[in-house]
Amino acid sequence: GAVVSQHPSRVICKSGTSVKIECRSLDFQATTMFWYRQFPKQSLMLMATSNEGSKATYEQGVEKDKFLINHASLTLSTLTVTSAHPEDSSFYICSANLQSREQFFGPGTRLTVL
Amino acid sequence: QKEVEQNSGPLSVPEGAIASLNCTYSDRGSQSFFWYRQYSGKSPELIMSIYSNGDKEDGRFTAQLNKASQYVSLLIRDSQPSDSATYLCAVSPRPNAGNNRKLIWGLGTSLAVNP
Repeated sequence: GAVVSQHPSRVICKSGTSVKIECRSLDFQATTMFWYRQFPKQSLMLMATSNEGSKATYEQGVEKDKFLINHASLTLSTLTVTSAHPEDSSFYICSANLQSREQFFGPGTRLTVL
Repeated sequence: QKEVEQNSGPLSVPEGAIASLNCTYSDRGSQSFFWYRQYSGKSPELIMSIYSNGDKEDGRFTAQLNKASQYVSLLIRDSQPSDSATYLCAVSPRPNAGNNRKLIWGLGTSLAVNP
C-alpha cells in the first residue's frame, strides 16, 4: 500500500514553455500532498504543501505565480512550472501522507529546460 | 542552529559491519521521527518511523529515539553494498496551525559500504 505515482518521469522543454507534473496516490486518499525540488548533490527542498480543495501553502522564497499547484481531488495534485527557464531544471518530487505524518514519495520528475 | 542536524559524511563501513547514523533535533515538542533512504537519482524511500523513546527493530534496521537528549539514530546491522545511499532524518514538529503536517528534514548522511 501507500503507492504514489508521478507523471512524466522525465521532461525536456524549451525555455519559456510551461510544464505540468501530475502526482497521484494510487491506493489511498491523501490528506495532504507535498512538492519538493532537489538540485544535484543537494538536499530536498520543500516547495509547497497542498490540501485538497484549498490553496497551496508555499515555502518562503518559492514563487507561487511561477509554480502553480492544483489539488483537485484526494488522489491528484498537479504542479505547473510556468515560463520555465534553465535554472528551473531540477528533480521535482511529490509526496503524500495518510493520517499519520509518514510521507510516501513518488518516483520524481526530472525536468530539463533548454 | 539547524532544526534537524546530521553529519553529512561520507560514512564508510566494511561489508558486514554495523553502520550507525545519527540525527539531532532542536524542537523538544517534536512528535514523530522518520528515516528515509535515497539512492542517487531516485526519490526517498521510508525505511523506519519511530514515535516513542527506546528502540524499534525491523529486520537489519534499528531506530533509537531519546527525546530527553533530542536525538534519533539508525543502526544498520550486517551492512551490504546495496545499503550505500544517503540516509535522511525527518522530524515532525509539534502541531500548530502553521506547520500543516510538513516534516523538517536533515541534509542527509552519505553511507558507503565497501565490499
